Amino acid sequence: ILNVEQSPQSLHVQEGDSTNFTCSFPSSNFYALHWYRWETAKSPEALFVMTLNGDEKKKGRISATLNTKEGYSYLYIKGSQPEDSATYLCAFTAGANNLFFGTGTRLTVIP
Amino acid sequence: DTGVSQDPRHKITKRGQNVTFRCDPISEHNRLYWYRQTLGQGPEFLTYFQNEAQLEKSRLLSDRFSAERPKGSFSTLEIQRTEQGDSAMYLCASSPFSGANVLTFGAGSRLTVL
Repeated sequence: ILNVEQSPQSLHVQEGDSTNFTCSFPSSNFYALHWYRWETAKSPEALFVMTLNGDEKKKGRISATLNTKEGYSYLYIKGSQPEDSATYLCAFTAGANNLFFGTGTRLTVIP
Repeated sequence: DTGVSQDPRHKITKRGQNVTFRCDPISEHNRLYWYRQTLGQGPEFLTYFQNEAQLEKSRLLSDRFSAERPKGSFSTLEIQRTEQGDSAMYLCASSPFSGANVLTFGAGSRLTVL
């Protein structure tokens, strides 16, 4: 079992605020880092997959960066909206096999 | 294709009973994963299949848990002699096993053991 840590565990922000979360993972045997969004009563949905050190991905107001040498990834949300409220999960894989998930960051955006 | 389907969505059972969950993956995906999620935790890996072969099983999985994917299509996860600690959300996901192995999840099957 590989240790994937996410912080903070939960976060409340006002609508319009920008925010970011952290995912820490083992820096050895890195293959890929995934971010998923899990809205209440829905299925987890893939946001990004990053494989190379220095990767940056963007989808609308959400972006992510990757540092494989030090073992961390940041997820940024610019101008948070109520529909961004969800649990954001990161998952590490040491090969094209199993994904090890963190405990998630639960984001609540207050209108 | 309507995505990954799981059935039942909710199951309430008494301790000691057996339960079975079914997962129908996306048809062209040859990888299928089972995860368990409890309150405040992230999805915890249970097992995965490539086609009909079960390639990995978590050491956390007791002998009461068994999973099958007989024809490389749908999969079942059976829990025998359920215990209260088995209460959780059981998530199924599938992937095409190409590139970075992005998972498509089902909505989950929530188990409550009384």
